Amino acid sequence: DAKTTQPNSMESNEEEPVHLPCNHSTISGTDYIHWYRQLPSQGPEYVIHGLTSNVNNRMASLAIAEDRKSSTLILHRATLRDAAVYYCILRDVGAGNMLTFGGGTRLMVKP
Amino acid sequence: DAGVIQSPRHEVTEMGQEVTLRCKPISGHNSLFWYRQTMMRGLELLIYFNNNVPIDDSGMPEDRFSAKMPNASFSTLKIQPSEPRDSAVYFCASSSFGTGILEQYFGPGTRLTVT
Repeated sequence: DAKTTQPNSMESNEEEPVHLPCNHSTISGTDYIHWYRQLPSQGPEYVIHGLTSNVNNRMASLAIAEDRKSSTLILHRATLRDAAVYYCILRDVGAGNMLTFGGGTRLMVKP
Repeated sequence: DAGVIQSPRHEVTEMGQEVTLRCKPISGHNSLFWYRQTMMRGLELLIYFNNNVPIDDSGMPEDRFSAKMPNASFSTLKIQPSEPRDSAVYFCASSSFGTGILEQYFGPGTRLTVT
């Protein structure tokens, strides 16, 4: 499986934008880029996914580099509720729908 | 929708006892996943089912672990006999395979403590 690399932790101020980076230099053409987050004492929850083009939804935006070797999850205005561990995951559509979680980035939001 | 339902939410048992964790996936979903999360190893996939059939159980740690999905609305993960190193949070997740919907929906987890 292609691997992802994320910073262990990041800090942000409340109501400011947050850019969470993810490197995936060995990504293949059939790999989707998924982001999940895990709030304290909860199960992971889906945030967003994309293949080649940038994506927006009500939770976040996903910016994908042109060569697809990196991506950035953008939270436009961080709130205290966004403090969580954010996981960037590559999913090969041809390999079924299983997810392999790495260490993720722990996002801390300061009031 | 009630989401993925797991029971019990907390389980404390003694080493050597049998433990059964239960999961009810979201209605209409045809894929079900069991994960385990510990501080040391993070979130690991144990096994997953498509249409009630086990597809990949390579993550199951050893023969003490077994999982079943007798129908589309129920799955169990059994540990027999349990050991202290099995202490972890066990998550169940479900999704729709083959529909183009890629998201997995996770339950709240079962926190297992084996003493």
